[in-house]
Parts: sequence; structure tokens; C-alpha cells
Amino acid sequence: ETGVTQSPTHLIKTRGQQVTLRCSSQSGHNTVSWYQQALGQGPQFIFQYYREEENGRGNFPPRFSGLQFPNYSSELNVNALELDDSALYLCASSPRTPGETGELFFGEGSRLTVL
Amino acid sequence: AQKITQTQPGMFVQEKEAVTLDCTYDTSDPSYGLFWYKQPSSGEMIFLIYQGSYDQQNATEGRYSLNFQKARKSANLVISASQLGDSAMYFCAMREVNSGYSTLTFGKGTMLLVSP
Repeated sequence: ETGVTQSPTHLIKTRGQQVTLRCSSQSGHNTVSWYQQALGQGPQFIFQYYREEENGRGNFPPRFSGLQFPNYSSELNVNALELDDSALYLCASSPRTPGETGELFFGEGSRLTVL
Repeated sequence: AQKITQTQPGMFVQEKEAVTLDCTYDTSDPSYGLFWYKQPSSGEMIFLIYQGSYDQQNATEGRYSLNFQKARKSANLVISASQLGDSAMYFCAMREVNSGYSTLTFGKGTMLLVSP
């Protein structure tokens, strides 16, 4: 048990729609990151939030956006869905500050299928 | 260039035997962290072991040990006494700090199958 929960676990959308994925991390975990894992690949970094502000972003377009809330929950929003957005989306949290190395605690992910 | 390379797409091992999963990395930063995660079919990334770039000793966690060879930039995972429940995808990852935030870069993974 990592204490990181994600919802929904599975969902199906069609091209052009919008989706919101949710993550709840442990108390005290001020740093949260989102990763996209396409089938047969390792996860890829989307962005990171610290104290409710985005402080780092990977190679993903602006239609991928996020929010972090004071209660240690966060959201990943994806607009104008494309077929290639089909993937497992993983949320990871850490009690450390963004500049520190150390373990990330992952949730079980949300599996998104775009038709 | 790939930052994390896992050259073994799949590995087979018999129960109770030891197995080594290979990982090489590429970075010019002096401070970094190396991780191994296990991902069963459920999707959750389960943390196994961590090695900091300044750690002098190889990390160990129960049946897992990390063979860290800094000069070769390798961080192989050794699983001793394999169990059927060890069958899963295994990912090597490196954590770097970029402009005040840190990211994990993952390899493509190795599928481990443990047979009775």
C-alpha cells in the first residue's frame, strides 16, 4: 500500500472529448507528478506540482494540464483527446521537495482508452 | 541518446534461482538516484530498491540487491531465490534534478517470468 489512490481505474472516451483523472496522495506529500505509460513502454513524465503550482513539465502539449489542491489531491486534465492518448496514467507523490532525489510512491493508475 | 537502457526484453528463471536484470544509464549530473520498480499486471509501480549516486555501498532490500558500478554506469538488479510472485515487468529508472524539479526517466522494462 503506497497510500496513493487514483480514479477512475478504467475509462473509455472518444476523440475530441475531455477527461479528468484524479489522484489522492498521502498527507504531507507536497510533490506530485503525473506519468503517461503507453502500451509496452516505460512511463514518461508529464508534469510535476509542488504546493499547488506546476514546477516542471515534460514534452507534452498544453492540452495536458493539471491542478493540485491543499488536501493532497490532484487532477490531470486532457483536452481534445487523440487516439495516441490511450495509455495508463500514473500519479506519483513524494514527501520530499522537488529538488531532492528519493522514492516516488505510485498509484495503480487510470487506464484511458480513446476510440 | 537513451538515458536508461534495459537490453533484456524478457527473462526466464526457475523458482528459487537467482536472476540479474540489466540496466545502464547515461547522465552528466553528479547527483542522481537510481530506482527499480516492479509492475504487475494490475499496473501499480511497486518500489523495490534505491541507490543514490553518492552511496558507497550497494543497496539491498531483502531478496533484492542493486549491483551499482558507477564507472560503468550500470545498476543491475539481482533477485535472489526467485518466487512465482516475482513474475512481472521490471523497470529501471533514474531521478535527476532539472532547474529545481526532479523527474524519473524510465527504461523500457524487462518482463520476468518465473517458472515452477
